[in-house]
Amino acid sequence: QSVLTQPPSVSAAPGQKVTISCSGSSSNIGTNYVSWYQQLPGTAPKILIYDSNKRSSGIPDRFSGSKSDTSATLDITGLQTGDEAGYYCGAWDSRLNVWVFGGGTKLTVL
Amino acid sequence: QVQLQESGPGLVKPSETLSLTCTVSGGSISSFYWSWIRQPPGKGLEWIAYINYGGNTNYNPSLKSRVTISVDTSKNQFSLKLRSVTAADTAVYYCAREQWRFLFDYWGQGRLVSVSS
Repeated sequence: QSVLTQPPSVSAAPGQKVTISCSGSSSNIGTNYVSWYQQLPGTAPKILIYDSNKRSSGIPDRFSGSKSDTSATLDITGLQTGDEAGYYCGAWDSRLNVWVFGGGTKLTVL
Repeated sequence: QVQLQESGPGLVKPSETLSLTCTVSGGSISSFYWSWIRQPPGKGLEWIAYINYGGNTNYNPSLKSRVTISVDTSKNQFSLKLRSVTAADTAVYYCAREQWRFLFDYWGQGRLVSVSS
């Protein structure tokens, strides 16, 4: 069971918007930086968002992040079939003294 | 452009030691932190440990008794040893560059290591 909680799957049609949530606690999301990673099938994770809402270099503005208290959210607008992937949130946990990740959310673009 | 490449055996017998090396190119290992992260088949990410060029380390408590991470700055490499492996250690092992407790910005392609007799 992951320390950060994400929905196992989300789906939407091309061109639509999807929101992926990531719920944590005061020792991780509440006090440390949140990052989001995209993992296309058969590939390594790739950084999308860091510091809760900053896009990594080359990431289109269709991807955006936010944080409120002990939860974070990744929004993807204008969905494309190429966005089908697993998405993971991550943060340092100051109480456990480890990096923690969400269990991952599989995005299906219908 | 920084690139990371994992190398090491893809098959390890139960109770033996898993050994992987990550070679960093396009940048010096003598800055930033360097991590190992694994992903069992069909499952999520688990952070294993980090090290910096000075040898400062931090381990996941769940694996700490079996893990050693080390760095060789002369070769621009860092390594992972996981002792007494079982089938539960079967996973894709990734090396990654860590901006300390901030994010992982570069990842290797991953090395699938299976534990089986």
